[in-house]
Amino acid sequence: DAGVIQSPRHEVTEMGQEVTLRCKPISGHNSLFWYRQTMMRGLELLIYFNNNVPIDDSGMPEDRFSAKMPNASFSTLKIQPSEPRDSAVYFCASSQLAGVSGELFFGEGSRLTVL
Amino acid sequence: AQSVSQHNHHVILSEAASLELGCNYSYGGTVNLFWYVQYPGQHLQLLLKYFSGDPLVKGIKGFEAEFIKSKFSFNLRKPSVQWSDTAEYFCAVNTNNAGNMLTFGGGTRLMVKP
Repeated sequence: DAGVIQSPRHEVTEMGQEVTLRCKPISGHNSLFWYRQTMMRGLELLIYFNNNVPIDDSGMPEDRFSAKMPNASFSTLKIQPSEPRDSAVYFCASSQLAGVSGELFFGEGSRLTVL
Repeated sequence: AQSVSQHNHHVILSEAASLELGCNYSYGGTVNLFWYVQYPGQHLQLLLKYFSGDPLVKGIKGFEAEFIKSKFSFNLRKPSVQWSDTAEYFCAVNTNNAGNMLTFGGGTRLMVKP
């Protein structure tokens, strides 16, 4: 299994530009999570999906952030317009929803720098 | 809502020293508890988890953690650390009504000096 695949691994952009981060969860997993990691705030849950449906987006910082999961094998996190304070590592994770709550499998992360 | 506190933000140890990282959570109901590790430049990986049963849980690489319900704690321990244990360690909790959503603590950066 290839694991959770995220792209791009690194992105440097200028303030005001649109940023799209992509995630392919592990095949068969039906929960998907977007986390943001910064030195100041640690790991924050932004949004998560069960069976492609957004369940909790209360962690999304503001309207500039949006996330979609059009099918079971793909999700995007979009920031428009981007700001320097959005600079962080964005992690996608997936898991199986059924049964006892269990392990999240994380991708390698997308390191975003907004100048 | 549940929260997780890791009081040690940075820990520096010499090789062969014993390790204990603190983790406390706030939630009055049933919880599942996890420790994740993030090696430099890598993604988070599961070290160990507690769902029920024996409160002393053994994980990979010689790590263990003890769930003390009365103290709302789930401290991580290792009797003798190695240089390769240098990493950031995250405690996490989820509750039975939150699906697989994890709430993470702020993390503890461990540096092991050779």
